[in-house]
Amino acid sequence: DTGVSQDPRHKITKRGQNVTFRCDPISEHNRLYWYRQTLGQGPEFLTYFQNEAQLEKSRLLSDRFSAERPKGSFSTLEIQRTEQGDSAMYLCASSFGVMAGPGQGKNIQYFGAGTRLSVL
Amino acid sequence: SQELEQSPQSLIVQEGKNLTINCTSSKTLYGLYWYKQKYGEGLIFLMMLQKGGEEKSHEKITAKLDEKKQQSSLHITASQPSHAGIYLCGADIQGAQKLVFGQGTRLTINP
Repeated sequence: DTGVSQDPRHKITKRGQNVTFRCDPISEHNRLYWYRQTLGQGPEFLTYFQNEAQLEKSRLLSDRFSAERPKGSFSTLEIQRTEQGDSAMYLCASSFGVMAGPGQGKNIQYFGAGTRLSVL
Repeated sequence: SQELEQSPQSLIVQEGKNLTINCTSSKTLYGLYWYKQKYGEGLIFLMMLQKGGEEKSHEKITAKLDEKKQQSSLHITASQPSHAGIYLCGADIQGAQKLVFGQGTRLTINP
């Protein structure tokens, strides 16, 4: 299977602990995205990378969150000092995009199965 | 407030019936994407629409984009149990690379 892979699928942690999630994108994709989804809502954008460069971060991404994509391959999302409000599904997506004007070119994002985080 | 509004939020239909889900944007759409999600899993890409009036079909699912109204619809013909799930519209609203999503429509198919 050459789709987007996320690990772990589930994580239960105690408040105040640090957690790290990993995402392996589709191999030829240059863009990688992180989203967060809470129950009954659509995914919310957190951050994205083009190759190894982190190009945009949402205001949702507090100082406790950090994401990396060393060498432009896999990515990690770390949450420090977790809070109960961090409980959510964390989704990773990848795409092959080219820099173009609005509405030009496709940027179809393919999603992984997600990591469900529960903070007790 | 939601930049993308989906309606209805939930839908229960009898197997074999047709149904429509709508997605309306408060801003100009640069690309509209439809995804399906099963509970607790990731999103599966269905279709992408870019141009006003564009219509795409895959098996029994058809999506249309009305650019002037900043609206898209997803129509399922002769629904089957395999169509059950959560349907999400996502849009490239700002001409940026991220997607903004609606809150989803939960579809239940009764036998």
